[in-house]
Amino acid sequence: AQSVTQLDSQVPVFEEAPVELRCNYSSSVSVYLFWYVQYPNQGLQLLLKYLSGSTLVESINGFEAEFNKSQTSFHLRKPSVHISDTAEYFCAVSSGGYNKLIFGAGTRLAVHP
Amino acid sequence: NAGVMQNPRHLVRRRGQEARLRCSPMKGHSHVYWYRQLPEEGLKFMVYLQKENIIDESGMPKERFSAEFPKEGPSILRIQQVVRGDSAAYFCASSPGESSYNEQFFGPGTRLTVL
Repeated sequence: AQSVTQLDSQVPVFEEAPVELRCNYSSSVSVYLFWYVQYPNQGLQLLLKYLSGSTLVESINGFEAEFNKSQTSFHLRKPSVHISDTAEYFCAVSSGGYNKLIFGAGTRLAVHP
Repeated sequence: NAGVMQNPRHLVRRRGQEARLRCSPMKGHSHVYWYRQLPEEGLKFMVYLQKENIIDESGMPKERFSAEFPKEGPSILRIQQVVRGDSAAYFCASSPGESSYNEQFFGPGTRLTVL
């Protein structure tokens, strides 16, 4: 069975500092990987996704994630965070077939001035 | 193009009552997914539906929960005889196709509180 582990439940960081949110998955088949962001009292928004091709994927707001098959990881990084990045971030995986997402427990990113 | 609509946004029920949650997918989307988010947890898949068909309900509790996506109208998640443990945020997502290449667009969620 597939599963997703987000190693940190909370990550506090100062504004303009770099951040890495960790995500590991377990699956015996090819996977598709996603990062979603959830702002307070809102639904989830897709941040970026890996389907195939280049293992490094980027979002429009400066986040990037790298698919590492050997380490079964898909860590999310940003070189310099803003206050507005404060939110909960969810890593998710699906494998072939139809698009049923398996989510990690989430990482709460808190950016402090 | 309006996004995924869910209503109500907040729902309060007493134990034993019924809760009915609605989801209108994005225009042109015929695939709907329901997820539940318990406090301090990630989202858990409940059910996947296409128009008039339940494709996968492996995440649905065996009793009291049901879902439908009729030919006309929104998808409905129905919880009968609610209990306190049903208190959660329920999210609906829609996509234009079933492949993992199709992005799922999420609604704002319905927050159910059972007193």
